[in-house]
Amino acid sequence: SQQGEEDPQALSIQEGENATMNCSYKTSINNLQWYRQNSGRGLVHLILIRSNEREKHSGRLRVTLDTSKKSSSLLITASRAADTASYFCAWSLISSNTGKLIFGQGTTLQVKP
Amino acid sequence: DAGVTQSPTHLIKTRGQQVTLRCSPKSGHDTVSWYQQALGQGPQFIFQYYEEEERQRGNFPDRFSGHQFPNYSSELNVNALLLGDSALYLCASNRYSGGRTGELFFGEGSRLTVL
Repeated sequence: SQQGEEDPQALSIQEGENATMNCSYKTSINNLQWYRQNSGRGLVHLILIRSNEREKHSGRLRVTLDTSKKSSSLLITASRAADTASYFCAWSLISSNTGKLIFGQGTTLQVKP
Repeated sequence: DAGVTQSPTHLIKTRGQQVTLRCSPKSGHDTVSWYQQALGQGPQFIFQYYEEEERQRGNFPDRFSGHQFPNYSSELNVNALLLGDSALYLCASNRYSGGRTGELFFGEGSRLTVL
């Protein structure tokens, strides 16, 4: 299977704390992306990191990529109740010549006020 | 600027029936992809359309078919529905970039329930 893994599957924290989610994949990639999904809704793109990048920041988000370990992490700092959602990593295969993305299973984040 | 729009938002079908889902891409986008998301799972790639042709297909049976129109909108058709086809069907669009996948813009999805 080309699917990877995300952990933890579920995470519950207090407002103001940091949340870290991890993603592992199995093959060589072009880039890795993180998406957010509010309950049963569409996905919203958060950040993209290319295979030759190691770290990227966007507001309260920090993403790291370790291609040697085939893993990535998403850190959300100073979390807010509005950050409650499911977070998915997705990667584009280096062997793919189209726009196919492979998604992880997701991490469900609950931020308590 | 309208984003990706999908219709219908919810529908209920019975086993053996056929369903058509519709998607209009974000303005300026020419490529449409379809994903199936079962409850509690990540989205799974069904297929992608560009220039009115299916460019790549995921591991889905021939019961799943699609079409892209000259205005870049797209349809997903599923024949002979099974209970296991119950899922959220997501349409995503982007501007074709020679196969290098950048950010995808998703619609809100069509929730299909098969009874």
